[in-house]
Amino acid sequence: SQQGEEDPQALSIQEGENATMNCSYKTSINNLQWYRQNSGRGLVHLILIRSNEREKHSGRLRVTLDTSKKSSSLLITASRAADTASYFCATAPSSNTGKLIFGQGTTLQVKP
Amino acid sequence: DGGITQSPKYLFRKEGQNVTLSCEQNLNHDAMYWYRQDPGQGLRLIYYSQIVNDFQKGDIAEGYSVSREKKESFPLTVTSAQKNPTAFYLCASSYSTGSANYGYTFGSGTRLTVV
Repeated sequence: SQQGEEDPQALSIQEGENATMNCSYKTSINNLQWYRQNSGRGLVHLILIRSNEREKHSGRLRVTLDTSKKSSSLLITASRAADTASYFCATAPSSNTGKLIFGQGTTLQVKP
Repeated sequence: DGGITQSPKYLFRKEGQNVTLSCEQNLNHDAMYWYRQDPGQGLRLIYYSQIVNDFQKGDIAEGYSVSREKKESFPLTVTSAQKNPTAFYLCASSYSTGSANYGYTFGSGTRLTVV
């Protein structure tokens, strides 16, 4: 079952612009994670935000979490062509199954 | 360097054949997972294991089998009962906690094609 839904499904921007991707989910969570996937490759873990956190930064990445709206956003500032990839959110349900549930992903294209 | 290795990178299966995908990790992670990814889609969980000699079905386990005889290894067999096996298969590992408070480390995937 897919809990997370990313929006938009696809995003195309110019190098230097900011990119914002959103993720909505349905059940209560322990944490939410963001991953990047380059074409034909495995996923790479970017950042984890716990349910009691509202915002987290890592380099050019900024993640927010609103548990009342069951939503999260990933902001990539000053994007580069190398940021071109698919981005997935994944939720760790409060039911403590130990499993992550991945969304469908947002495909980001950064044009040089 | 620690990491997770999937092999082969590309695999071709004839109708009616079983094939086995390899996944090995040297990260000392307790938990391992197999996901299937279809073009333009998200990841769907096939099987997962949180400890040696134990594993659980995920959302789409039919037509697949796994074993976990060693902590480092979690091979996936795609059986002939899986009617539409053409997909990209991803293996992942993590420290095992019920709350999934650690990120997953993924392998680089195996692309399986039915010929």
